[in-house]
Amino acid sequence: QSALTQPASVSGSPGQSITISCTGTSSDIGGYNYVSWYQQHPGKAPKLMIYDVSNRPSGVSNRFSGSKSGNTASLTISGLQAEDEADYYCSSYTSSSTLVFGGGTKLTVL
Amino acid sequence: QVQLQESGPGLVKPSQTLSLTCTVSGGSISGGSYFWTWIRQPAGKGLEWIGRIYTSGSTNYNPSLKSRVTISVDTSKNQFSLKLSSVTAADTAVYYCARGVAHFDYWGQGTLVTVSS
Repeated sequence: QSALTQPASVSGSPGQSITISCTGTSSDIGGYNYVSWYQQHPGKAPKLMIYDVSNRPSGVSNRFSGSKSGNTASLTISGLQAEDEADYYCSSYTSSSTLVFGGGTKLTVL
Repeated sequence: QVQLQESGPGLVKPSQTLSLTCTVSGGSISGGSYFWTWIRQPAGKGLEWIGRIYTSGSTNYNPSLKSRVTISVDTSKNQFSLKLSSVTAADTAVYYCARGVAHFDYWGQGTLVTVSS
């Protein structure tokens, strides 16, 4: 199975909005509404930010939102804050009953 | 509050078998319809899904690791385990255990396993 495709890096200024894309195939993202997004700060375990394409776990800021169109999912962070600077990973359930992650995107808050 | 904690050797020799255990606390591993998953992350690289197990013993593995991976569960100890055979330096990574099948809401802190002679 091939990793999902994410941009290596994105950046934005405080208060701005950014979007991170995650591209897969019809066998993963396009075939299921089981896309998730994780935030990972250095030296820490990943934290679930979005699940099932657009659902936020309890306690996650509503500045984080998710969507999907075809084989591409997106994570949007609005009102960027310094604490949002981290690595972000997408994942998707696959037609083989496995799971695949994206390569990760480093978000820099300027 | 569910908590997960990985344990096992931090150093494994090449060609040997890596063995890790994840202990679940704050809830029964067999309570609810949960799957239990192993994920790893080489230093400076991305996340890689290794595989999952249901408390019935049903498993799914990453095709790229399937020939070397075994995940098992011990409900009496509230633990699940990972065995990865014939390891090489490429298996050096932080190994995480987590709860879930398509998304992971609880994670262990991770444990670094280095493969070196």
